[in-house]
Amino acid sequence: RKEVEQDPGPFNVPEGATVAFNCTYSNSASQSFFWYRQDCRKEPKLLMSVYSSGNEDGRFTAQLNRASQYISLLIRDSKLSDSATYLCVVNGIVYQKVTFGIGTKLQVIP
Amino acid sequence: DVKVTQSSRYLVKRTGEKVFLECVQDMDHENMFWYRQDPGLGLRLIYFSYDVKMKEKGDIPEGYSVSREKKERFSLILESASTNQTSMYLCASRWTGANQPQHFGDGTRLSIL
Repeated sequence: RKEVEQDPGPFNVPEGATVAFNCTYSNSASQSFFWYRQDCRKEPKLLMSVYSSGNEDGRFTAQLNRASQYISLLIRDSKLSDSATYLCVVNGIVYQKVTFGIGTKLQVIP
Repeated sequence: DVKVTQSSRYLVKRTGEKVFLECVQDMDHENMFWYRQDPGLGLRLIYFSYDVKMKEKGDIPEGYSVSREKKERFSLILESASTNQTSMYLCASRWTGANQPQHFGDGTRLSIL
């Protein structure tokens, strides 16, 4: 089993739709979690951290479920500019242990 | 804003050459990382450094070495470049701490002919 698993997609959604991605992780002792956004041929950029209580940033909501070992990202009112690959990142107890998911590709269509 | 700068966006080298990729960060971060990213494989960790002159192997260190003589600079060296090292190389840095996110440079697209 992979340490961090994501559905690679692509998810093709119309503008204005709500879309959700999940990411599962295998190490129950994982410490912190992040979502990154990566545009084609560009570097990953931090989208948001994921907190135990859940957190929201505008149209984006991140949730953590430690019991089931997954994190989620919800995007409301999708824009064309949201088209990108979304990477799930998990930090372990050992500070250098950072594990990336393979990414989920989102395509928002007019 | 954190600034992580990689020396080249695009680089073309020949098989057998020694290749240097440089990365500089301006936030006094302790930890620095080198990854390569290939289609279908995601980001794979080559080496990381948790402080000056410290280095640890990642998941795919074969064929690579690193140098961290100053806190702000982390260099990746391809000792004898091979075609299977053609890839996108990404440098990242962060503060020490499991709750700290990484910040990435623009990446270097390296082609080995």
